[in-house]
Amino acid sequence: DGGITQSPKYLFRKEGQNVTLSCEQNLNHDAMYWYRQDPGQGLRLIYYSQIVNDFQKGDIAEGYSVSREKKESFPLTVTSAQKNPTAFYLCASSATLRDQETQYFGPGTRLLVL
Amino acid sequence: KQEVTQIPAALSVPEGENLVLNCSFTDSAIYNLQWFRQDPGKGLTSLLLIQSSQREQTSGRLNASLDKSSGRSTLYIAASQPGDSATYLCAVNRPNSGYALNFGKGTSLLVTP
Repeated sequence: DGGITQSPKYLFRKEGQNVTLSCEQNLNHDAMYWYRQDPGQGLRLIYYSQIVNDFQKGDIAEGYSVSREKKESFPLTVTSAQKNPTAFYLCASSATLRDQETQYFGPGTRLLVL
Repeated sequence: KQEVTQIPAALSVPEGENLVLNCSFTDSAIYNLQWFRQDPGKGLTSLLLIQSSQREQTSGRLNASLDKSSGRSTLYIAASQPGDSATYLCAVNRPNSGYALNFGKGTSLLVTP
């Protein structure tokens, strides 16, 4: 089955700890995105990548880091600098940068602070 | 900065009713507009994508329209069913951010039997 997988489904972070959220896609998509969703809020863009070994900051990149070493993988690290990390994190991908391409979303990872 | 607004924030209707969800955006220079469905605790499922040159798209009981000049889109759901209960999100394409999406806060729909 083609699609986007995210792991883990739930993640617990201790104070001062860095944690990494996994995002893998087998759709052969060039572009990948990370969004954050808070209760009652729309999704907000954290980082995006249009091609391997390149990525750009979104609207709320502070306290987060990413890498894009392989086309199919775009992991997100939530660092200790992110003071309010509790949220639902969604990874997405799209085939090209054309206007007729929809974005496909993974099932999400819920991050909670201990 | 592009702002996307969805009205109403929540809606409860009896089964069988036809309903309309509204989405507005402040910058008409969009490439496309997408409607998504989100079930509680789940990811997003794409429902319809309307390109900027199109006026509407249809899929089954769903019909989405786009009026780019006025910055508005509507999602029409015909003959609603309890299985339609979910949050519906509207998003516009951001060409200056790798074609990422700007989202509204969503409309939470409850269809009662």
